[in-house]
Amino acid sequence: DAKTTQPTSMDCAEGRAANLPCNHSTISGNEYVYWYRQIHSQGPQYIIHGLKNNETNEMASLIITEDRKSSTLILPHATLRDTAVYYCIVRESDYKLSFGAGTTVTVRA
Amino acid sequence: GAVVSQHPSWVICKSGTSVKIECRSLDFQATTMFWYRQFPKQSLMLMATSNEGSKATYEQGVEKDKFLINHASLTLSTLTVTSAHPEDSSFYICSTRENANTGELFFGEGSRLTVL
Repeated sequence: DAKTTQPTSMDCAEGRAANLPCNHSTISGNEYVYWYRQIHSQGPQYIIHGLKNNETNEMASLIITEDRKSSTLILPHATLRDTAVYYCIVRESDYKLSFGAGTTVTVRA
Repeated sequence: GAVVSQHPSWVICKSGTSVKIECRSLDFQATTMFWYRQFPKQSLMLMATSNEGSKATYEQGVEKDKFLINHASLTLSTLTVTSAHPEDSSFYICSTRENANTGELFFGEGSRLTVL
């Protein structure tokens, strides 16, 4: 199963865009890239997912490189409530998700 | 949207007792549910896959006799931590798949277990 690599932590200014990188160089052709976030002491929250095309929803945008070896999650206007651990995950078989360490994003006023 | 609910949100128990945690899918039927465990400042670790009407599948290193999983209906899975010890203190989270096409998973709010 493919693994992902993310920076350990990242600071972001409130109101600015937050760009969260993720490397998944061993991803296979039929594996999706998922992003979840976990606010302290809560269950993970789904953000967005994609296969090879860029995706956008009300929460974020997902940019996947053409070779699919990396992706970037973009929070267009970060707020203090976006402070959380963000997980980039490549979906395994049977819909199981393997969580790495994630990126701890701190949004500062 | 889909809602997955866990109960209790937190529980404190004495060492040696058993604790049951419930995971319910409120808006849909869930044939498969997943149970995760998260220790402080660590990531989520998958413990087991719960299948409605059949035995759960446990990940390597997870004791099936200690963590009993029952998925008797399409909307309820339970995790029972038997003979709990302080090292079982953790944040337990369930998830289930709602969208059969995308495999999108929704997670419960989590249940924090503290064993004294």
